[in-house]
This record gives sequence, C-alpha cells and structure tokens, in this order.
Amino acid sequence: KAGVTQTPRYLIKTRGQQVTLSCSPISGHRSVSWYQQTPGQGLQFLFEYFSETQRNKGNFPGRFSGRQFSNSRSEMNVSTLELGDSALYLCASSLGQLRTTGELFFGEGSRLTVL
Amino acid sequence: AQSVTQLDSQVPVFEEAPVELRCNYSSSVSVYLFWYVQYPNQGLQLLLKYLSGSTLVESINGFEAEFNKSQTSFHLRKPSVHISDTAEYFCAVSGGTMGGGSQGNLIFGKGTKLSVKP
Repeated sequence: KAGVTQTPRYLIKTRGQQVTLSCSPISGHRSVSWYQQTPGQGLQFLFEYFSETQRNKGNFPGRFSGRQFSNSRSEMNVSTLELGDSALYLCASSLGQLRTTGELFFGEGSRLTVL
Repeated sequence: AQSVTQLDSQVPVFEEAPVELRCNYSSSVSVYLFWYVQYPNQGLQLLLKYLSGSTLVESINGFEAEFNKSQTSFHLRKPSVHISDTAEYFCAVSGGTMGGGSQGNLIFGKGTKLSVKP
C-alpha cells in the first residue's frame, strides 16, 4: 500500500508570493491533517480535513488555508508569504477523524524556503 | 488544554547503553498517547501507542513506554541502543474521548534528539 505522498518536496519562494502544497493520503484514509514544523516551534497543527470538510483548525492566520477533494487528496495554500513561513510542512492521513483514532501516517514533507 | 513536555531536547548516549526519553502531558480528560520517530529528511513514523489496556506498550524494534496516569507521564525506554536509533523522537497526546473542536487534534512535544555514539 502506498504511503502518504507530498508534492513538491522542496520549493523556494519570495516574500509576498503564494504557494500550494499537495498531499495524497493512504488509500482508504479519509482524514488529512497538516502540520508546520520549525526548529523553534516544533510541530504545530494547522488543520484537519475529513470528508471534504475542515474539522479542526490550529492557531494560524487566515493566510493559511486548505481544502480536501472527494478522493481525499488535500491541498494547503499559503498566501502573501512571509519569511517566518519557511518550514517543513507535513501532511498526515488517518483512517478516521483524529479525535477517534489519534494515529497519523505522515508524508515526508514539503520544505518551503521563503527568501 | 492539552500540552506535552519533553524534558530533554538532546540526549547523547553510547551504543549499547540504555536510554530513557521523558515525556509528561497535561490533560483533563482521558488521552491517547504516542511516540513518533523522525529520521533525517523524513516524515514522522509511529513508534508505539497507548490507547487503553496494558500500561506497558512495546515496539517491534525494542523500544517500550509505560503510561503512568498518576504522574501523567509516558516515558520511552530502550535497554540497549544502536547507532541506527539516532533520530528525533516526539511524544504526542490526543484527547481520545473528546468530541471535535480544537481538542480533536494531536498535540506534539518539541522533540528529543537522540544521538547514539559508537
């Protein structure tokens, strides 16, 4: 069974630009969560999508958004990029909603550098 | 609100020595507890989990963790480490019995970097 796939793996953007990251969950998994990982803040929860609906949201500004498609694939978008948005963005899938299973399967991440 | 504290940011240890990575959590409700491992340039992988039942849980590669409700701890141990165990380890908690909302996600500690030296 294929794992969680994230694209692109690496990307470089400049301040003010926007970026879209993609995540394909494990086949059959309906929940996709996104995390931002930085050396200073560690892993911070961005949001969770289940059955195309956002179920949970972390404490990030509205510049961070996401969506989930009917095939459970998910995208996250960051608009008006800031230097502080440089991070590893991790996508994780689970069979059911996080509050019922708690177990996540992670992709290898998309490393975003903002110059 | 739930939180997770990993008391050591870095743990250097020699090969074949025992190791303990400490994790404490705070939560007012029943929880699920996890340890994840992250090797360089990779995502996180589940190492072991406590959902219910026996408070001692084991992984296939020799790690074990014990859920201690009175001390709100979930420390990770291995009696003899290998070079290949060098990685960053994350403790995580989720409100297993809670309904949706902001408590429905997995809260991670800041991680402990385990460095195994020959």
